[in-house]
Amino acid sequence: AQKVTQAQTEISVVEKEDVTLDCVYETRDTTYYLFWYKQPPSGELVFLIRRNSFDEQNEISGRYSWNFQKSTSSFNFTITASQVVDSAVYFCALTGGGATNKLIFGTGTLLAVQP
Amino acid sequence: DAGVIQSPRHEVTEMGQEVTLRCKPISGHNSLFWYRQTMMRGLELLIYFNNNVPIDDSGMPEDRFSAKMPNASFSTLKIQPSEPRDSAVYFCASRLAGENNEQFFGPGTRLTVL
Repeated sequence: AQKVTQAQTEISVVEKEDVTLDCVYETRDTTYYLFWYKQPPSGELVFLIRRNSFDEQNEISGRYSWNFQKSTSSFNFTITASQVVDSAVYFCALTGGGATNKLIFGTGTLLAVQP
Repeated sequence: DAGVIQSPRHEVTEMGQEVTLRCKPISGHNSLFWYRQTMMRGLELLIYFNNNVPIDDSGMPEDRFSAKMPNASFSTLKIQPSEPRDSAVYFCASRLAGENNEQFFGPGTRLTVL
């Protein structure tokens, strides 16, 4: 069975601090995809990144970076120099490749960035 | 390009009434998904379609829920009769199968059943 665990329910930081959101996954698929989505207070779900199981290179996009480690089944997300606009719920998700289209979400981490 | 479009954005109805939620996927996408988000259960997949055909409806909570996709550009999720426990945000998402697996979500419909 596939499962995504985001153990951090809520994180509060002060602006300009770095923060890492943890994501641990379980799957029996050899090919799978991992995602992060952002849900700001306005409610929409915004796609941030996709990673496939064959690509373990870390990725950096501006202040965002992602660390994918198959050995620990983790796909952690770091925000550098956090800003108030980063305040949102962040979801990690997993789906299998091929015909398996189900996106399995974690429970989300609420990030509050204080000014 | 327009994203996924959902209507209405907000719906308030009384218990027992029929509710129809609508979704227009991104043009060219051939997979469509309906999700429900609640505080208690988080985000859960209700049903998804590939090429307008329902593939997996195991997430549909009960017979009161039904979904259709009559063509590639339109889908509905219907609840009849509605109950207070159906109150949630319902998201529609679409995806281009075969290219990559990211799903693009609509803004959601916030449903309140009194």
